[in-house]
Amino acid sequence: NAGVTQTPKFQVLKTGQSMTLQCAQDMNHNSMYWYRQDPGMGLRLIYYSASEGTTDKGEVPNGYNVSRLNKREFSLRLESAAPSQTSVYFCASSVVDRSGETQYFGPGTRLLVL
Amino acid sequence: KNEVEQSPQNLTAQEGEFITINCSYSVGISALHWLQQHPGGGIVSLFMLSSGKKKHGRLIATINIQEKHSSLHITASHPRDSAVYICAVDMRFGAGTRLTVKP
Repeated sequence: NAGVTQTPKFQVLKTGQSMTLQCAQDMNHNSMYWYRQDPGMGLRLIYYSASEGTTDKGEVPNGYNVSRLNKREFSLRLESAAPSQTSVYFCASSVVDRSGETQYFGPGTRLLVL
Repeated sequence: KNEVEQSPQNLTAQEGEFITINCSYSVGISALHWLQQHPGGGIVSLFMLSSGKKKHGRLIATINIQEKHSSLHITASHPRDSAVYICAVDMRFGAGTRLTVKP
C-alpha cells in the first residue's frame, strides 16, 4: 500500500494564480482531511470529509475549496492564491478501530506564493 | 490563548535521558493524539488516548481527563528520537515540541 500520497511535493505560484493540490489514499478510509502547517503554529484544519460525498469546513477554510471526488481522492483548490497561503499542506486519512481513531498523513506539499 | 498548549517548545537531552513532554488543553475531548514529525517533515501517529495510559516500546503516554493534561514520556532517549512531537485534541493541534537528543 502507498498509504496517503500527495502531489505536487513543491509548487511556486504567483499571487492570483490557481492550483489544485491532489491527495489520494489506498487504505479504504472514510475520513480525509486537509491541514496547513505554518512556522511556530500547530497544524490547522482547513476542510475535512467524513465520507464520500460530504465535506465540512475546518478552522481556516477561507480561500480554499475542496472536492471529495470518490472514496480515494480528496483535492484542495486555491482559486486565487495569496502570499498568506504560503505554507506546507498535509492531507490525512483516518480509520476508527477498537483502539480509537488513527490518522495517516501524506508527505506534504510545500507551497510558496509570491 | 491556544486551545492546545505544549511545553516545552524546545528540549535538548543527552542520549539515555528520560524525556517528558506536556500537553494541556481547554477544548472538550473525545480523544487526544500524540504525533511525531520527523526532520524530513513526515508525520506519524504515535498514540490515541481517551483515558489512562498507553505504552509502545520506549514511549509512554498518559492522560488525566479531569486536569485536561497529557504527558508523553520517552525512556532511554536516543538520537533517532529527535523530532517534533505534536499533541492534538479533536482536530486542534499544539504548536509542537522540538526534541533534540545528543549522543
